[in-house]
Amino acid sequence: QITLKESGPTLVKPTQTLTLTCSFSGFSFSTSGAGVAWIRQPPGKALEWLSLIYWDDEKRYSPSLKNRLTITKDTSKNQVVLKMANMDHVDTATYYCAHSLSLAGFFDYWGQGIPVSVSS
Amino acid sequence: DIQMTQSPSSLSASVGDRVTITCRASQSISSHLNWYQQQPGKVPKLLIYAGTRLQSGVPSRFSGSESGTVFTLTISSLQPEDFATYYCQQSYSSAFTFGQGTRVDIK
Repeated sequence: QITLKESGPTLVKPTQTLTLTCSFSGFSFSTSGAGVAWIRQPPGKALEWLSLIYWDDEKRYSPSLKNRLTITKDTSKNQVVLKMANMDHVDTATYYCAHSLSLAGFFDYWGQGIPVSVSS
Repeated sequence: DIQMTQSPSSLSASVGDRVTITCRASQSISSHLNWYQQQPGKVPKLLIYAGTRLQSGVPSRFSGSESGTVFTLTISSLQPEDFATYYCQQSYSSAFTFGQGTRVDIK
């Protein structure tokens, strides 16, 4: 059974760097094809794909946010970390991590999400 | 970036109605199109992947079809639990994108 859970701060100040951790179980980055994505959703708005990392350390980023995002994985801890620099009020959203498989591209298991507010 | 445009943005329907939601890609994405359902206050749930394939455990009243760059999600007989927002997502390019969502409300 695959489960994922996001952790990190729920309040950050403008210009700060947000660091979110996705801890998962039921799969491993030692398995070919495994991937974890980050997706966010501002209040009342649509889903927005942010980034994804695969078992082989291939990394993908949203072109519009590429300069602000860094995704890394810790295979031994079954964790993925997303850093988003220079946070702004428009980055207020619920941030989700989700499981994906290479060559599939869909997100079949999601974490519960973590709400992040940006305010001074 | 590949843009995904859903229509309508919202609709009102009654229990038992047949509902159709359309997603248009800005360029060819082959069959790399996935559909999600998000009930109010809940986490998105995968319904359909690869354009037409039903995810395990999803009721058969949900179906997907495709014609070129236009993809359709159909709910054959709307149930109370189907009132939700539906999103399409392309997984063709290296940068995935979602549509803006279609909200299905009770008439």
